[in-house]
Amino acid sequence: AQRVTQPEKLLSVFKGAPVELKCNYSYSGSPELFWYVQYSRQRLQLLLRHISRESIKGFTADLNKGETSFHLKKPFAQEEDSAMYYCAFTRGWFGNEKLTFGTGTRLTIIP
Amino acid sequence: DTGVSQDPRHKITKRGQNVTFRCDPISEHNRLYWYRQTLGQGPEFLTYFQNEAQLEKSRLLSDRFSAERPKGSFSTLEIQRTEQGDSAMYLCASSLSRSMGGTDTQYFGPGTRLTVL
Repeated sequence: AQRVTQPEKLLSVFKGAPVELKCNYSYSGSPELFWYVQYSRQRLQLLLRHISRESIKGFTADLNKGETSFHLKKPFAQEEDSAMYYCAFTRGWFGNEKLTFGTGTRLTIIP
Repeated sequence: DTGVSQDPRHKITKRGQNVTFRCDPISEHNRLYWYRQTLGQGPEFLTYFQNEAQLEKSRLLSDRFSAERPKGSFSTLEIQRTEQGDSAMYLCASSLSRSMGGTDTQYFGPGTRLTVL
């Protein structure tokens, strides 16, 4: 079954400390991986996608096909990073496709 | 605001009633998606349209659910004979498909929160 696993429902990190949000996926093909973020009282929005290899707001994520992981990292957490983070994937080359989401991780940055 | 809009933002209804939600996508976007999100879960796919054609429906979408996109612009999602289990946030997203494949960014609306009493 196609599935995304985010093992941590809640994660608290001190400001300035490194952040890592874990994501593993289950799919035998070549997926496209995404991280979406939802700040308080805002809509869900794309944070980054693996094919663009961009660093957005200091976050990066590397697709590891061997471990089927796409962990989100940031070296120094900031208070404005507090939000709900969802890992998601599509089946890639099939074109615009439904997103399969994980259950999300609520990140809280402690001042 | 030129983003995806949804109406209403909140809907409270009694079990057994019918409800209809509307989604207005970003104007040039040809794909439109509906997702449902329950407490503690990530969004789950329900259905999607390319222009006015409904291309895929999830098994989550029972016979009580119907979605339309009659002119390839806005879309409606109707739930007939609502049940308490239908209580959820219903999210709409839109994207612009590219002929070369790959997945374009889906832009989400604010959602419609349905409470069935």
